[in-house]
Amino acid sequence: GQNIDQPTEMTATEGAIVQINCTYQTSGFNGLFWYQQHAGEAPTFLSYNVLDGLEEKGRFSSFLSRSKGYSYLLLKELQMKDSASYLCAVLSFYKLSFGAGTTVTVRA
Amino acid sequence: DGGITQSPKYLFRKEGQNVTLSCEQNLNHDAMYWYRQDPGQGLRLIYYSQIVNDFQKGDIAEGYSVSREKKESFPLTVTSAQKNPTAFYLCASSISDEQFFGPGTRLTVL
Repeated sequence: GQNIDQPTEMTATEGAIVQINCTYQTSGFNGLFWYQQHAGEAPTFLSYNVLDGLEEKGRFSSFLSRSKGYSYLLLKELQMKDSASYLCAVLSFYKLSFGAGTTVTVRA
Repeated sequence: DGGITQSPKYLFRKEGQNVTLSCEQNLNHDAMYWYRQDPGQGLRLIYYSQIVNDFQKGDIAEGYSVSREKKESFPLTVTSAQKNPTAFYLCASSISDEQFFGPGTRLTVL
């Protein structure tokens, strides 16, 4: 089975940095995704890590350690529009398994 | 424009009725997926199809049925056997590892 854990909620101030951690235990691993989801909308792709290390994309970065079953999503220079749920998902044998999501609230 | 469409956005049904949710994609993707999302929970896989005329059960298939007669379409039927059908349903498609999601249908069973 799959077990994917991430914090339920995080709050940060506009302009700050927030790090969302994700730990996983899965049978088989092909890669790890991070999605952003605003309330009532579809998830949108943020990043995909297959190998260990840091992937940077503008204000967003994602890190993966396969040996530790650990990933994080780093959001820099937070903006109000970054208030959303962030979903960690592990790809295994063509199927995605999702964590419950982390709701990030950005305050002015 | 290429994309995934789900209709309607909101759907209301009486308890005991079957209801079919539509999902159409014009991305020429081979694989399609149905997920259910409940408050405070992650997306859970209901059914998936990697090719036309073939589909497999996901983690929570009981009370649901699907068909994949065309590459573009993957409708989901929520049957009266599904005990808690009220949820947000998301359809996705993929051609490689990344999945692209439709806008979702919020189903409320009264």
